[in-house]
Amino acid sequence: AQKVTQAQTEISVVEKEDVTLDCVYETRDTTYYLFWYKQPPSGELVFLIRRNSFDEQNEISGRYSWNFQKSTSSFNFTITASQVVDSAVYFCALTEYGNKLVFGAGTILRVKS
Amino acid sequence: GAVVSQHPSWVICKSGTSVKIECRSLDFQATTMFWYRQFPKKSLMLMATSNEGSKATYEQGVEKDKFLINHASLTLSTLTVTSAHPEDSSFYICSARGASGIDEQFFGPGTRLTVL
Repeated sequence: AQKVTQAQTEISVVEKEDVTLDCVYETRDTTYYLFWYKQPPSGELVFLIRRNSFDEQNEISGRYSWNFQKSTSSFNFTITASQVVDSAVYFCALTEYGNKLVFGAGTILRVKS
Repeated sequence: GAVVSQHPSWVICKSGTSVKIECRSLDFQATTMFWYRQFPKKSLMLMATSNEGSKATYEQGVEKDKFLINHASLTLSTLTVTSAHPEDSSFYICSARGASGIDEQFFGPGTRLTVL
């Protein structure tokens, strides 16, 4: 069965600090997809990244970067030089092909100025 | 592209009334739509999966007579909360997946339901 664990319930940082959000997943399938979403106070889910199980390349997008390691079943998300606007709840999610999307519990990120 | 809308964005109703929430895919055909429920400070919980033209598949513990789902067209799904009670108050989010073969869901902005 699919499972996503985000062990960090809440993280507080000061602006300009780097912060890493952890995500560990479980799946029996060899084909699966991993996602990160941001949920600001407005509630709308903002898609950040999608990664398939065959692509272990790390990705960087501006201040955001993702580290996918199949050996440890982890898909961690790093924000460099955090800003107040990064404050939100971040969800990691997993879907096995054709199956439902399973979300982690989420990590609340608070960036203080 | 891949925009999903929800209406209304928020609704307040009296206990015992029914509330309908619409989910529309604006620029693509959604063969499958999903309905999630999110309690405050909690994660998203899948309630049901609906494929156009067929009955919805409900997750364990979700009352199908309480949460009626209709997916009558490739761009519209509705969730009706029947005889709503205060415990039904929640944030309801829909998502849609197209037939492109890419396994990705596009999320609506959510509907906040408050039952008095």
